[in-house]
Order: sequence, then C-alpha cells, then structure tokens
Amino acid sequence: NAGVTQTPKFQVLKTGQSMTLQCAQDMNHEYMSWYRQDPGMGLRLIHYSVGAGITDQGEVPNGYNVSRSTTEDFPLRLLSAAPSQTSVYFCASSYSGPRGGGGYTFGSGTRLTVV
Amino acid sequence: GNSVTQMEGPVTLSEEAFLTINCTYTATGYPSLFWYVQYPGEGLQLLLKATKADDKGSNKGFEATYRKETTSFHLEKGSVQVSDSAVYFCALISGTYKYIFGTGTRLKVLA
Repeated sequence: NAGVTQTPKFQVLKTGQSMTLQCAQDMNHEYMSWYRQDPGMGLRLIHYSVGAGITDQGEVPNGYNVSRSTTEDFPLRLLSAAPSQTSVYFCASSYSGPRGGGGYTFGSGTRLTVV
Repeated sequence: GNSVTQMEGPVTLSEEAFLTINCTYTATGYPSLFWYVQYPGEGLQLLLKATKADDKGSNKGFEATYRKETTSFHLEKGSVQVSDSAVYFCALISGTYKYIFGTGTRLKVLA
C-alpha cells in the first residue's frame, strides 16, 4: 500500500545510546518532515526536507540529525538519547508541500522511551 | 509569530449531538488553515482545509469556515458518531512549508 512507513513502532533506549528512526514513502513526494508529539504540546517540527540532498531545521532540532540521500527515505538519528527525547515521533510527506491539495501524509508513528 | 489556539479538551458528547471545536489563529499574511484528525494508535490524517477567507472546507460531515475577521476556523459537525472519537488538530501554514499545529482536542462520543 502506498503511504509513509515508519520503523520501529516501539523502542526503548538507555540514556546515551544512539539509534535511527526509519521513514520511507513510495509516493514520490518531495517534501518530508519529522515531528514529535508530546502531551499538551501538539506536534513540533524537528527537521524537514524539500528534496533529496536538502534538509533544514525545525523548531526543536537539538539532539537530532537527518539526511536525505534519496527521495524515498528520510531517517532521523538520535545522537545520544536523553529522557527528554521520550516522545512519539511522526514522519510526514507531501508532494507539493502543505499548501498542496493533499496536505501531509503521516506515518503511524514511533513511540520512543528513553530510560 | 504564527500560532494556533484550540479549545481545551476533552470534549465528551452523546451520539448524534452537535459538535463545535474552536480554533483561532495568529498569522502574518494570509495563511491556509487545516483540520487533521488522529485516531487511536494512528498518524494524523487531513480532514479538511481552506485556503482563503470565507472558504468552507468540508469532509465526512465535518465543516469549518475560514473567518478572517475573527481569525477563526471552528470545526463543526451536526451529528457525531462513536466512530468520530479521536484527537482533532487545527493547523496553519503561512508563507512556508512548515505547519503550525494546535495542541489538539480530544473528542469522546458516547453511545
């Protein structure tokens, strides 16, 4: 099925560990973003990309790294996990950006706990 | 800066009741406005949108009208169902490709 696929769905990390959250889309979308969702704070933008090889920071980029070597994939790396990074992470993509007719397509999320 | 303010939840209604979820915004220029819905355990789905003043977005019985004079985009549905239980997010985009989301309003519909 076409859409945005995120893996893993659940992850527990120890403080200081690193890991990569995977995001892949098969819709040939140029725009991709990572958000984190925390109770009472809505969704906050971590990093985004407007095409392969182009990335930029969002509201809360510290502690995260991204790259976009292909149109399909947009992995999010946690460099040294901290308890403050416990959250639900969503990847989203769009063909023409949020102003386009379809808005963003979201993945089903990765629930990350850092202990 | 740009911001979105939604009413605090949770909102609890009986089936077939009328729903209003308030959303107001602050933005420079002329933002596009969106409502997204998040069902339990899933990602957000675009519910409806409006791109200019007085536009009405509608989908699945939900409606919202872009009111520039009151900077509002309230979500309404005439008769809610148990299956509408979810978290609803108001969002805007103005001049960039970055969304600004509200904090979400949880709706619970009782049979």
